[in-house]
Amino acid sequence: DAKTTQPPSMDCAEGRAANLPCNHSTISGNEYVYWYRQIHSQGPQYIIHGLKNNETNEMASLIITEDRKSSTLILPHATLRDTAVYYCIVKGSGGSNYKLTFGKGTLLTVNP
Amino acid sequence: NAGVTQTPKFQVLKTGQSMTLQCAQDMNHNSMYWYRQDPGMGLRLIYYSASEGTTDKGEVPNGYNVSRLNKREFSLRLESAAPSQTSVYFCASRLLAGTETQYFGPGTRLLVL
Repeated sequence: DAKTTQPPSMDCAEGRAANLPCNHSTISGNEYVYWYRQIHSQGPQYIIHGLKNNETNEMASLIITEDRKSSTLILPHATLRDTAVYYCIVKGSGGSNYKLTFGKGTLLTVNP
Repeated sequence: NAGVTQTPKFQVLKTGQSMTLQCAQDMNHNSMYWYRQDPGMGLRLIYYSASEGTTDKGEVPNGYNVSRLNKREFSLRLESAAPSQTSVYFCASRLLAGTETQYFGPGTRLLVL
């Protein structure tokens, strides 16, 4: 599974868009980009995933660059409840390695 | 749907005591996982069950055993608890083969004295 690099922390004003970057320069063609978040003391929560096209759901949008070496998770209107650690994970589908590798992620703090 | 549920939410044990952490999911998922999370660290996989009737070791299995009781339930047992097992334990289940979308429970906080 490709390694990912994320900034350790970011701040965002409430109501504004939060844009969280992730670098994954060694990603291979069959690997997906997954985003999870962990609000303090809670279990990780799946947000979104994509292969090469941009994706949107009710929680967020995922923008993947054309060369797939980086991506951005966008929370369009951040609220205080979006304060959490956000993890970018790159992983291929199937195979015998079922482990999700959570790195240190980005601590997003949404300020009033 | 309750999703993934875990019991108990919090437990204190003395060194050498045993206990079982329970996990259940009502999403008809095939795969289930047990992770531990220590302060300031990411999640580490203890054991997983790719499908009913199978279990496999993850990266930190020592001191633990698991049972996949049926498709819904996956339990984690500590036979002789040690202070190094003080941690937060998360159970997860996986939506579909071929994707890595896992759904996590709320966690069990375990303190071993």
